[in-house]
Amino acid sequence: GENVEQHPSTLSVQEGDSAVIKCTYSDSASNYFPWYKQELGKGPQLIIDIRSNVGEKKDQRIAVTLNKTAKHFSLHITETQPEDSAVYFCAASTGGSYIPTFGRGTSLIVHP
Amino acid sequence: DSGVTQTPKHLITATGQRVTLRCSPRSGDLSVYWYQQSLDQGLQFLIQYYNGEERAKGNILERFSAQQFPDLHSELNLSSLELGDSALYFCASSVAGTFQETQYFGPGTRLLVL
Repeated sequence: GENVEQHPSTLSVQEGDSAVIKCTYSDSASNYFPWYKQELGKGPQLIIDIRSNVGEKKDQRIAVTLNKTAKHFSLHITETQPEDSAVYFCAASTGGSYIPTFGRGTSLIVHP
Repeated sequence: DSGVTQTPKHLITATGQRVTLRCSPRSGDLSVYWYQQSLDQGLQFLIQYYNGEERAKGNILERFSAQQFPDLHSELNLSSLELGDSALYFCASSVAGTFQETQYFGPGTRLLVL
């Protein structure tokens, strides 16, 4: 089955800096890659996603890049703010059902 | 607020017991998904229902079962509970029932098995 590795497990940045979280996947057939943000005491929230026919996608301060050859994808957050502090999960899904396999999460801490 | 409600918020029980977790999807959403989040296994998909029918199955144990009722609310039943079943259980809902559309997650039920 699919295996998703996510790094780093913890990321501490100063407000205004950029943050990058990286994920690798094992199944070359995976073709949908969502990213979720989970704030303390809440459920995950989809923040951006990318499909395998696209190399990069941006939404304001958030961007995701995908390298299918290397089987890795990354989340980029620019101009970080304290409210960006949360746990971020990547996922990869494949096949007709597209059931996601999740990374273990990255705890992002943005210091004011 | 995602519009998805889950009850109860917290649940403490003993090994060997059975519990039922309840989820009400967002208005208009036909599909419900159940996920388990634990320190050991991370976030895992358990099972999905669409308009009352099971649509996809993930890493759900045989001791666990779920159903979706005509009013579209869903229940996850966990039986013969073990210490390792302690986790956060999330319900999510979506309109069309595909994993490539936005799923809206509820606040979760925290289960502690003693």
